[in-house]
Amino acid sequence: SQQGEEDPQALSIQEGENATMNCSYKTSINNLQWYRQNSGRGLVHLILIRSNEREKHSGRLRVTLDTSKKSSSLLITASRAADTASYFCATDTGANSKLTFGKGITLSVRP
Amino acid sequence: GAGVSQTPSNKVTEKGKYVELRCDPISGHTALYWYRQSLGQGPEFLIYFQGTGAADDSGLPNDRFFAVRPEGSVSTLKIQRTERGDSAVYLCASSSPRSGRASQYFGPGTRLTVL
Repeated sequence: SQQGEEDPQALSIQEGENATMNCSYKTSINNLQWYRQNSGRGLVHLILIRSNEREKHSGRLRVTLDTSKKSSSLLITASRAADTASYFCATDTGANSKLTFGKGITLSVRP
Repeated sequence: GAGVSQTPSNKVTEKGKYVELRCDPISGHTALYWYRQSLGQGPEFLIYFQGTGAADDSGLPNDRFFAVRPEGSVSTLKIQRTERGDSAVYLCASSSPRSGRASQYFGPGTRLTVL
């Protein structure tokens, strides 16, 4: 079963614009992570935010977490064509750190 | 250093056949995970190893699926009597306490097609 649900399902923006992706989940978590996947193959870990954190930055990425609303958002600033990929949020509930993924968001950045 | 590797990258088999998928984790990573990703979906957890033992196999869909990690490094996912519904990308990930066990590093996956 999939806990996370990303929104929107697909996003198309112009290079240089910001991209905001949202994720909602159902149960209590230890942390929430965002991954990127190109061409349906390996996942690349982008950023992890713990349940006691509210905001985290890494380069052009900014992630927020609202545990009261069970939601997170990922912001990619100044997007590039190379950011075109599928993005997944994944929750770690602490049970062996196995991850529960959402269905993903397809981001297209037009040059 | 080398990342997680998986072989083969693609596997085409016929319904009813047996397949083995291999995962080489990052050296020194004690935790190893298998996930399955169907088209248009996110990965779904199958099984987790801590060292040589399967600490959590709650995601294995049925008894046709089995995985081993005999020496605590390489793992093999085995699927018996394959069915068309087993077609998916099988992903392996590893992590270590030093990197924060939750930070999982994924391999490129094996795309399994059952005809």
